[in-house]
Amino acid sequence: DAMVIQNPRYQVTQFGKPVTLSCSQTLNHNVMYWYQQKSSQAPKLLFHYYDKDFNNEADTPDNFQSRRPNTSFCFLDIRSPGLGDAAMYLCATSRDRGQSNEQYFGPGTRLTVT
Amino acid sequence: GQNIDQPTEMTATEGAIVQINCTYQTSGFNGLFWYQQHAGEAPTFLSYNVLDGLEEKGRFSSFLSRSKGYSYLLLKELQMKDSASYLCAVRDRGGGSYIPTFGRGTSLIVHP
Repeated sequence: DAMVIQNPRYQVTQFGKPVTLSCSQTLNHNVMYWYQQKSSQAPKLLFHYYDKDFNNEADTPDNFQSRRPNTSFCFLDIRSPGLGDAAMYLCATSRDRGQSNEQYFGPGTRLTVT
Repeated sequence: GQNIDQPTEMTATEGAIVQINCTYQTSGFNGLFWYQQHAGEAPTFLSYNVLDGLEEKGRFSSFLSRSKGYSYLLLKELQMKDSASYLCAVRDRGGGSYIPTFGRGTSLIVHP
């Protein structure tokens, strides 16, 4: 049973055209994360929500925004995608932030910018 | 922040044992995770270490030495399906966020 679901799995957008990626979870976890992963690189944390509390990483570009309307859903908005934003975008959840709380990842959305 | 170092790539033979090392530098170590990531797929959790020593889970074991800033993932009885990237992620209590930082991963190729 899928626990962290991401839609779509593949997304093609044009340079500068806003795009939204979605993530939902059935785990009722408090924390949701968005990562960007480029080929052969480490997943890079963009931001995370601890319940409704939004936490942005210092080096996340302003071009990236996020919304979490309820516990189950979280969205990544890229306002004006550039060619450098082509990547795999991974959504993850964890029950809490500390201790041994491992992260559960969704299958990812591969974004292509043309 | 953390400085996490893993070998880029390793190869091994089916049925053999392989050890994947991870070294890190952090000011407030608070746990180390290993994840497996098959090509084009999401990472999946393998193990968690916060105290020194060996954690065994089936064919996979993970070791931690906090004083040395060192961990390894040991894979026994390798199978072809173990070909994947193995990511080391370290949590630092600095800043209070407790979010693990991932290394670049080690790409393991298992051949017959």
